[in-house]
Amino acid sequence: QTVVTQEPSLTVSPGGTVTLTCAPSSGTVTSGYYPNWFQQKPGQAPRPLIYTTSNRHSWTPARFSGSLLGGKAALTLSGVQPEDEADYYCLLMYGGAWVFGGGTKLTVL
Amino acid sequence: QVQLVQSGAEMKNPGASVKVSCKASGYTFTGYYLHWVRQAPGQGLEWIGLINPSGNRNYAQKFQGRVTMTRDTSISTGYMELSRLRSDDTAVYYCVRELRGGYFDFWGQGTLVTVSS
Repeated sequence: QTVVTQEPSLTVSPGGTVTLTCAPSSGTVTSGYYPNWFQQKPGQAPRPLIYTTSNRHSWTPARFSGSLLGGKAALTLSGVQPEDEADYYCLLMYGGAWVFGGGTKLTVL
Repeated sequence: QVQLVQSGAEMKNPGASVKVSCKASGYTFTGYYLHWVRQAPGQGLEWIGLINPSGNRNYAQKFQGRVTMTRDTSISTGYMELSRLRSDDTAVYYCVRELRGGYFDFWGQGTLVTVSS
C-alpha cells in the first residue's frame, strides 16, 4: 500500500509565501500521477484547488499555484491571507487507484 | 448547476451494513467517474473507491471484500455499501465527481455514519 507524505503542519505569516509538498513512499511524482490539491476548513467538505499538477479551478485564487518540485507535487501559496488557514490534502493516482496524502495543517500567524 | 446530494446520517451496530446514496443533478451522470472518500473524526481523507462511466469499479485494497459501489443511471444516483461495520468505520463519507484525467471538482455534502453498540 502506497503512503503519500505531506508536512503535518506549517506556519506562515500573513502576506508571506509557503510551499506544501506531497511525496510517495517510493519513487517520484510525475504529471502521470495527476496530482490534485484540496483545501478543507473545519466542518466543511474539501474544496478542490488544483487539478492535474498545476491547473487552477475557476474559483481558485491566483495566489495558489501547483507544480512538480524535486520529485514531489507542490502547492505554493503566495501573499497568504488569514482565510488560507486550513488543512490541505494532495491526491495522487496509482494505476487506477487513488491515494490521499496525510494532510498539512496550515496556520497563518 | 451541478449538485451531489447525499443521504442522511446513519447509526449502525457493529457487524451491520450501511448503504449511502449520492444523487447527481445538473450534468450527464454517465459521463463522469464517481468516487467515494471518507474522513474519520479528526483524521485525514481516505479514498475508498470509484465507479467509472462504463460502470466498472475499482476499490482500495483496504476495502476489498467489504465495499460495493453501484449506480442507478435512470435516477442519476450512485451508492456505496459497506458491510461488516466496525467502530473505526465511523466517519463522514463523501461522493466526489471526476472527469477522466484527474479533474476532481464537485463533492457531496457528506454523510455521517456512526458505528456503535
